[in-house]
Amino acid sequence: AQRVTQPEKLLSVFKGAPVELKCNYSYSGSPELFWYVQYSRQRLQLLLRHISRESIKGFTADLNKGETSFHLKKPFAQEEDSAMYYCALSDNTGNQFYFGTGTSLTVIP
Amino acid sequence: NAGVTQTPKFQVLKTGQSMTLQCAQDMNHNSMYWYRQDPGMGLRLIYYSASEGTTDKGEVPNGYNVSRLNKREFSLRLESAAPSQTSVYFCASKWKLTNEQFFGPGTRLTVL
Repeated sequence: AQRVTQPEKLLSVFKGAPVELKCNYSYSGSPELFWYVQYSRQRLQLLLRHISRESIKGFTADLNKGETSFHLKKPFAQEEDSAMYYCALSDNTGNQFYFGTGTSLTVIP
Repeated sequence: NAGVTQTPKFQVLKTGQSMTLQCAQDMNHNSMYWYRQDPGMGLRLIYYSASEGTTDKGEVPNGYNVSRLNKREFSLRLESAAPSQTSVYFCASKWKLTNEQFFGPGTRLTVL
């Protein structure tokens, strides 16, 4: 069963426009949610975690347990935000990780 | 400080051949992971090792074996490669304090 769902495979927005990448999850208990990003020719790296509740590179994500969602948002997209974004979940033990299928974001100049 | 390193970067195998993918980390992390990345499937966990001397199955372990040689190294072995194992393989280690995973550059494997 798919634990993490990212419904958009591709997303294009204009520079300066708001962007939202959707992530829904299915897991009982208290999972930890993450967003990872892979820029062109770079390694996959952590963007942010729901526990830290911080804003990284202008991105924020709020865990909505009622809707089981963890959408990633940025009010004003920049060209350097173009990348592949993965939503991920770790189980209660912190050992098993489940990744979504990814959303490729393109910011049009 | 190289972080997570993987060898080789690319490999082509014939069906039935065996090979070992190597992974090492220099961050003194306890946990290490092997994933495969396929188009439209995202990353799927093959095996993980929560600490030196332990390994556990992930979501897609069939056709693979792993060895946690020491704290630094975690290898993935394909005993008899199949075309369905054509993929990009990523190794990662995890910082316990934040649960953040650090990824290697990946190995692109093609099985003919």
